[in-house]
Amino acid sequence: NAGVTQTPKFRVLKTGQSMTLLCAQDMNHEYMYWYRQDPGMGLRLIHYSVGEGTTAKGEVPDGYNVSRLKKQNFLLGLESAAPSQTSVYFCASRELTGDNSPLHFGNGTRLTVT
Amino acid sequence: DAKTTQPNSMESNEEEPVHLPCNHSTISGTDYIHWYRQLPSQGPEYVIHGLTSNVNNRMASLAIAEDRKSSTLILHRATLRDAAVYYCIPRRASYDKVIFGPGTSLSVIP
Repeated sequence: NAGVTQTPKFRVLKTGQSMTLLCAQDMNHEYMYWYRQDPGMGLRLIHYSVGEGTTAKGEVPDGYNVSRLKKQNFLLGLESAAPSQTSVYFCASRELTGDNSPLHFGNGTRLTVT
Repeated sequence: DAKTTQPNSMESNEEEPVHLPCNHSTISGTDYIHWYRQLPSQGPEYVIHGLTSNVNNRMASLAIAEDRKSSTLILHRATLRDAAVYYCIPRRASYDKVIFGPGTSLSVIP
């Protein structure tokens, strides 16, 4: 049982390049979340999903797109990377049953945009 | 969303108890209070949650004020491994979003 796995762990992009971050969970969770964390700051919610085929905006959605084509995967895309998107990205999931089910986090993807 | 206020940082001596406070004066009656912590270079991990009664688990205890406007996470005996950022999050049971604040950075002194 791997939990929440994020791919890749590290990436360096040039301004204007695109990339996709993959989050995979093997716990059959309905809810999935993408957060970003800038140095010395708390987590900010980018987008989230309440089930396969659904997505919704969080606190800071601009510049990102997401897709949830399969229940176990939640993809975060950057179409044209900017230096302001340099951050650590965390994915999380939680189950539907039990309104207070805890979030399970991955270990993060460290992205640098030069 | 209920707003939270936590100290930016706290220090504790190893093997001493630690009381991490959180004010959430705008909390609604159906909001649970969740606590997470984030160890250095890791994703956050769940610690504990409660509604009205005090709660205990293997990691910590959660003391909730009678008016629910504040809560305290209690680590009974701090270890070096407890050095982390601790987040207090009021969470409405029916609400899909989970919003983190800046949290409290706990340092543990050997």
